[in-house]
Amino acid sequence: EAQVTQNPRYLITVTGKKLTVTCSQNMNHEYMSWYRQDPGLGLRQIYYSMNVEVTDKGDVPEGYKVSRKEKRNFPLILESPSPNQTSLYFCASSSGVGELFFGEGSRLTVL
Amino acid sequence: GESVGLHLPTLSVQEGDNSIINCAYSNSASDYFIWYKQESGKGPQFIIDIRSNMDKRQGQRVTVLLNKTVKHLSLQIAATQPGDSAVYFCAENRNGQNFVFGPGTRLSVLP
Repeated sequence: EAQVTQNPRYLITVTGKKLTVTCSQNMNHEYMSWYRQDPGLGLRQIYYSMNVEVTDKGDVPEGYKVSRKEKRNFPLILESPSPNQTSLYFCASSSGVGELFFGEGSRLTVL
Repeated sequence: GESVGLHLPTLSVQEGDNSIINCAYSNSASDYFIWYKQESGKGPQFIIDIRSNMDKRQGQRVTVLLNKTVKHLSLQIAATQPGDSAVYFCAENRNGQNFVFGPGTRLSVLP
């Protein structure tokens, strides 16, 4: 089954404790992207990647890092999480002809 | 900066009626648009897409209209059903695969 898998789905952590949200897709997609979703603000892009070893900032990259060492994985790294990074995070991938496939989301709470 | 936005944050319709959800985009260079549906607790799901060389595209019970003159996109849902209740996002594609999403419209279907 074609899918984008994120882990963890839910996480409560404390300020400053580094965490990684993993994202994996099994569709051999070149393009992958991370979004955060907050009430009233829709989906805002954090980082995206057009291919292996190619990453670019989205609209809200501050406080986040990503890596794309292999095509299927695109982890989102929060080196020192802060409460304003409490949000719902979505990973998405695309073959390059348009449609984005989304994961089920990761709800992060930073205390 | 340029962005994609929605005219109405909420929309309530009677079951069986047609729904129209609107979206304004500001980047005339965007050439690909998608409508997504997001149900509570789930990731966005693709509904229908349209490219800028088209004015209209139809799917099963859904139609997307694109008016490039006024930079307006709409999603029409025929014979709205309770299962259509969700948040609907429009997205525009810039620079190849970099999507920007609007804030979303919550559609509520009344019995």
